[in-house]
Amino acid sequence: GAVVSQHPSWVICKSGTSVKIECRSLDFQATTMFWYRQFPKQSLMLMATSNEGSKATYEQGVEKDKFLINHASLTLSTLTVTSAHPEDSSFYICSAPDAVKNTEAFFGQGTRLTVV
Amino acid sequence: GENVEQHPSTLSVQEGDSAVIKCTYSDSASNYFPWYKQELGKRPQLIIDIRSNVGEKKDQRIAVTLNKTAKHFSLHITETQPEDSAVYFCAALPGGSNYKLTFGKGTLLTVNP
Repeated sequence: GAVVSQHPSWVICKSGTSVKIECRSLDFQATTMFWYRQFPKQSLMLMATSNEGSKATYEQGVEKDKFLINHASLTLSTLTVTSAHPEDSSFYICSAPDAVKNTEAFFGQGTRLTVV
Repeated sequence: GENVEQHPSTLSVQEGDSAVIKCTYSDSASNYFPWYKQELGKRPQLIIDIRSNVGEKKDQRIAVTLNKTAKHFSLHITETQPEDSAVYFCAALPGGSNYKLTFGKGTLLTVNP
């Protein structure tokens, strides 16, 4: 299957700082990428849909000014958590759909963010 | 929008027994139903999927069944092994959703040796 690479795999930052997470599609072009947040023992909660060359679409309740998404190329989407607070600590994971099959989602490795 | 319910939330079985996880969905236009396995701290991995024009699909010890009329789909794992222990998520892809999957809440499967 296709490969989606996400970095960093884990990061610890201080409250008030910003953290950028990258998601790259290595062997295919992804016009759409999805960003999820997953709290311990919970499901994947969709935060936003990243669209190459246009603004991201955010799910209800997700602050677009806090979670900045950029999808500047067909292989790279970034999520920046701005002014991070301890409650932002979570597992963030991206995925890109298989546009050829119109189905399967390929997930990045995930990023464990801890805000102290 | 689509709503996916998944049960049970936890499931404990003895090695060698079968495990069944069930999901229901609300949008009759949904046409693709994947199942993902997620080990602690790792990314979800697709283990099997089924499209709406098929009623059952099997891959070795894993099978998925779909009842479109009832809007149910289930994951069946036979001859369970300790390495099957993980969280399993079902998902549904609504028609025309631009690939946006809706996930169930997950089932923590524990296979006891």
